[in-house]
Amino acid sequence: AQSVSQHNHHVILSEAASLELGCNYSYGGTVNLFWYVQYPGQHLQLLLKYFSGDPLVKGIKGFEAEFIKSKFSFNLRKPSVQWSDTAEYFCAVRSKAAGNKLTFGGGTRVLVKP
Amino acid sequence: DGGITQSPKYLFRKEGQNVTLSCEQNLNHDAMYWYRQDPGQGLRLIYYSQIVNDFQKGDIAEGYSVSREKKESFPLTVTSAQKNPTAFYLCASSTTGPNSPLHFGNGTRLTVT
Repeated sequence: AQSVSQHNHHVILSEAASLELGCNYSYGGTVNLFWYVQYPGQHLQLLLKYFSGDPLVKGIKGFEAEFIKSKFSFNLRKPSVQWSDTAEYFCAVRSKAAGNKLTFGGGTRVLVKP
Repeated sequence: DGGITQSPKYLFRKEGQNVTLSCEQNLNHDAMYWYRQDPGQGLRLIYYSQIVNDFQKGDIAEGYSVSREKKESFPLTVTSAQKNPTAFYLCASSTTGPNSPLHFGNGTRLTVT
């Protein structure tokens, strides 16, 4: 069964600091990987996705993620965060072998201090 | 505007009562999903449906039931058998295929006392 692990439950940092959120998945076959974001009081939104090709994926709002197949990882990065990046971030994996179910990690709450 | 509508936003029920949460989409998506969100546990899949009149159990289906009589609608019933029903419930839809992102509704917060 596919599963997703997000290493940090809470991250606190100051504006302009760099952000990296870890994500590891368990399934060894072909996967599609996603990062979603949930801003306070808002619904989940897609931040970026990886299907194939270039393992470095760029998303909205300056976020990027790198797929490293050998490490089963899909870490999310942003070089310089803003207060408006305060949100909860979810990594997710989907595979045909798992019936196209989207499996989420436990989420990471990010608080950016102004 | 196309989207997913969940209603109501807040729902209160007494223990022992069944309750049905509504989810409607006008995105013409074939697949629909129900997730439960609890603090620190992320989103856990309850049920999903990839086509009308068919649905599959997710990871935590016990105590829940669904129906998919219409493409646009995927209601979730939280039964009295669900041991810990108080939670935030999210509905989503997508086109079929593993590379299709999910579109989420705004959620329903259910409180059972």
